[in-house]
Amino acid sequence: DAKTTQPNSMESNEEEPVHLPCNHSTISGTDYIHWYRQLPSQGPEYVIHGLTSNVNNRMASLAIAEDRKSSTLILHRATLRDAAVYYCILRDVGTDKLIFGTGTRLQVFP
Amino acid sequence: GAGVSQSPRYKVAKRGQDVALRCDPISGHVSLFWYQQALGQGPEFLTYFQNEAQLDKSGLPSDRFFAERPEGSVSTLKIQRTQQEDSAVYLCASSWGSGGTTYEQYFGPGTRLTVT
Repeated sequence: DAKTTQPNSMESNEEEPVHLPCNHSTISGTDYIHWYRQLPSQGPEYVIHGLTSNVNNRMASLAIAEDRKSSTLILHRATLRDAAVYYCILRDVGTDKLIFGTGTRLQVFP
Repeated sequence: GAGVSQSPRYKVAKRGQDVALRCDPISGHVSLFWYQQALGQGPEFLTYFQNEAQLDKSGLPSDRFFAERPEGSVSTLKIQRTQQEDSAVYLCASSWGSGGTTYEQYFGPGTRLTVT
């Protein structure tokens, strides 16, 4: 399974944008990039996914490098409720299971 | 609407006891997954069902772990002769489809198992 590398932790102030990086230099052409987050004492929740093009939804934006070896999850205005562990996951076509790493723990300060 | 529910939320078992963990997926979801999450780690895949068929059990750590989904909806993860290393949060997730990379997984709150 392709691996991803994320910083262990990041900090942000409330209402500021947050850019969460993910490196995936061994990504294959059929790997989709998924992001999930896990709030304290909860199960993970889906955030966003993409293949090649940048993606936007109500929660976040996903910026994918042209060579696909890295991506960035963008939270446009962090809130205290965004404090969570964020996981960047590569998911191959036809593979249903998710392979989680250790993720990035995001702290948001008021 | 109703999400994925798991019961019990907390379970304390003495070493050697058998436990059964239940997962109620979102109604109509074809795929169901079990994950194990140790303290401070990301979830690790255990097993996967498509309807009632168990298509992947490569993540089950030993033959003490057994999962079933007999009618394609509710699933049970059973752990026999529990050991201290089984202490973890057990997460269940379901998704609408299968074999497609765009199907997001919906997770339950997990069952925290502590083996003493």
